[in-house]
Amino acid sequence: EAQVTQNPRYLITVTGKKLTVTCSQNMNHEYMSWYRQDPGLGLRQIYYSMNVEVTDKGDVPEGYKVSRKEKRNFPLILESPSPNQTSLYFCASSARGAYNQPQHFGDGTRLSIL
Amino acid sequence: DAKTTQPPSMDCAEGRAANLPCNHSTISGNEYVYWYRQIHSQGPQYIIHGLKNNETNEMASLIITEDRKSSTLILPHATLRDTAVYYCIVRVASNTGKLIFGQGTTLQVKP
Repeated sequence: EAQVTQNPRYLITVTGKKLTVTCSQNMNHEYMSWYRQDPGLGLRQIYYSMNVEVTDKGDVPEGYKVSRKEKRNFPLILESPSPNQTSLYFCASSARGAYNQPQHFGDGTRLSIL
Repeated sequence: DAKTTQPPSMDCAEGRAANLPCNHSTISGNEYVYWYRQIHSQGPQYIIHGLKNNETNEMASLIITEDRKSSTLILPHATLRDTAVYYCIVRVASNTGKLIFGQGTTLQVKP
């Protein structure tokens, strides 16, 4: 089954403790992206990747890092999480270049930073 | 990307067609109309997209007016599982891939 898998689905942690949210897709998609969703603000793009070893900042990249060493994986790294990063996070992927291609989303990761 | 306007909420009777409108009066010639939905706090689900012509797939139909300033998503036989927030998005084919989700329309399907 074609899918985007995120782990963990839920995480409660404390300020400053590094964490990684993994994202994996099995559709051989070139494009992958991370969004965060907050009440009243909709989904906002954090980072995106057009292909392996190619990443770029979205609208709200501060406090986040990503890497794209393999086509299928696009982890989101919070080196020193802070409470303002408490949010619902979604990973998405689409075929080549996201040109005229629908994006497929994971089920989300709910992070709480205390 | 062009701005879209959708009604905040709509009701539909189960088994009837749900027609969700979207205005995008500032749409450019190369901007596509996409529809996604989000059920509770699950990941957004792609429904359908189009440029000029009407489109149909197994989930829905998309009707785009000739001047492309508005469109309608049609769910032909709504079920309770179609209760969700529906987002209409217009985007240029060659951008960062970013999707800008507005407030959307909350569709409530009632028995």
